[in-house]
Amino acid sequence: AQSVTQPDIHITVSEGASLELRCNYSYGATPYLFWYVQSPGQGLQLLLKYFSGDTLVQGIKGFEAEFKRSQSSFNLRKPSVHWSDAAEYFCAVGPFGNEKLTFGTGTRLTIIP
Amino acid sequence: NAGVTQTPKFQVLKTGQSMTLQCAQDMNHNSMYWYRQDPGMGLRLIYYSASEGTTDKGEVPNGYNVSRLNKREFSLRLESAAPSQTSVYFCASSVTRSLGDNSPLHFGNGTRLTVT
Repeated sequence: AQSVTQPDIHITVSEGASLELRCNYSYGATPYLFWYVQSPGQGLQLLLKYFSGDTLVQGIKGFEAEFKRSQSSFNLRKPSVHWSDAAEYFCAVGPFGNEKLTFGTGTRLTIIP
Repeated sequence: NAGVTQTPKFQVLKTGQSMTLQCAQDMNHNSMYWYRQDPGMGLRLIYYSASEGTTDKGEVPNGYNVSRLNKREFSLRLESAAPSQTSVYFCASSVTRSLGDNSPLHFGNGTRLTVT
């Protein structure tokens, strides 16, 4: 069965600093991988996705993620965070079909001035 | 564009009461989904509707029913609410052009339900 692990429940970063959020998955083949962001009181919004091809994918809001098959990871990065990036971030993994996606438990990001 | 609209935003129920959570999307999407979000559990799929006229169970369907009223609307019903159903419920939609499509999910803002 597929699974996804986000090891960090809560991360605090200073504004302007770099960010890396970890996502590790377990899946038998090359998965479909996603990062979603949830701002307070809002629904989730897609940041980026990986299906195939270039293992470094660019998303919205200046985020990027790198698929590393050997490490079963799909970590999310941003070179310089802004206060507006404070939110909860969810990694999701699955095969074909949104109905088969497994979401991680999320990482809450706090930005300090 | 409103996107995905959920009503109500908040609801408190007593054990055994029933209620229906409403969801409507104005993006002409084919597929719609209901998730619940619990602390430390991530999002779990309750039911989904791949297209108008079809519904299927997700990971945690027990205690819930759904109706795909038309292409726009997908409701979730709790027939006899239990404290274990205290959660935040999210409706989502995706365009899903073909079987196995992973089109982006578009989420509503959620309904916070408390069952006492």
